[in-house]
Amino acid sequence: EIVLTQSPGTLSLSPGERATLSCRASQSVSSSYLAWYQQKPGQAPRLLIYGASSRATGIPDRFSGSGSGTDFTLTISRLEPEDFAVYYCQQYGSSSVTFGQGTKLEIK
Amino acid sequence: QVTLKESGPVLVKPTETLTLTCTVSGFSLSNARMGVSWIRQPPGKALEWLAHIFSNDEKSYSTSLKSRLTISKDTSKSQVVLTMTNMDPVDTATYYCARMDSGSYSCDYWGQGTLVTVSS
Repeated sequence: EIVLTQSPGTLSLSPGERATLSCRASQSVSSSYLAWYQQKPGQAPRLLIYGASSRATGIPDRFSGSGSGTDFTLTISRLEPEDFAVYYCQQYGSSSVTFGQGTKLEIK
Repeated sequence: QVTLKESGPVLVKPTETLTLTCTVSGFSLSNARMGVSWIRQPPGKALEWLAHIFSNDEKSYSTSLKSRLTISKDTSKSQVVLTMTNMDPVDTATYYCARMDSGSYSCDYWGQGTLVTVSS
């Protein structure tokens, strides 16, 4: 089973700043099968990025994904107040799905 | 409009079997590109994938929970059912079903989730 490790655990930034979230896999992940989600308190997760770099429907272009192999990144170019939430990466491989432990993005 | 809705008991006793139903609308469970996943989230903790099923009846299970899980679908009723045996208090969580795309294995639509508490 592939383990995804997200860093940092908590990221404190101000609106307007750039956020860079990392997701590292214990073994190589197909870029086609790497996704990112946003979750706000009391809500279900929302798909942001699939295929490592493709934005889901309705996702603003300030969200971008990149990476390959074992290292993937979610970048939020300029933080809006509504972007403060928990972010998860997720992968599929060897007939199994795993999620990272999450990065909490909080207002500084 | 795609929607998914979870239903099932809010409280189960230790050792009991949990049965959850996901009723979908806005897409068909016979759609070759679409499947349904179950994911859970203990209070204050991370997401954990449990299982998924696709139109061709392809099924996959979490390695750590495989012996306790069964997923099935009734296409005519637009329902996906997950059973989890031998429930324990550590299984207390919000259980989500989500639509999964077979091309990217990402979940683009989610249900609101249902909180299941395991307690005697």
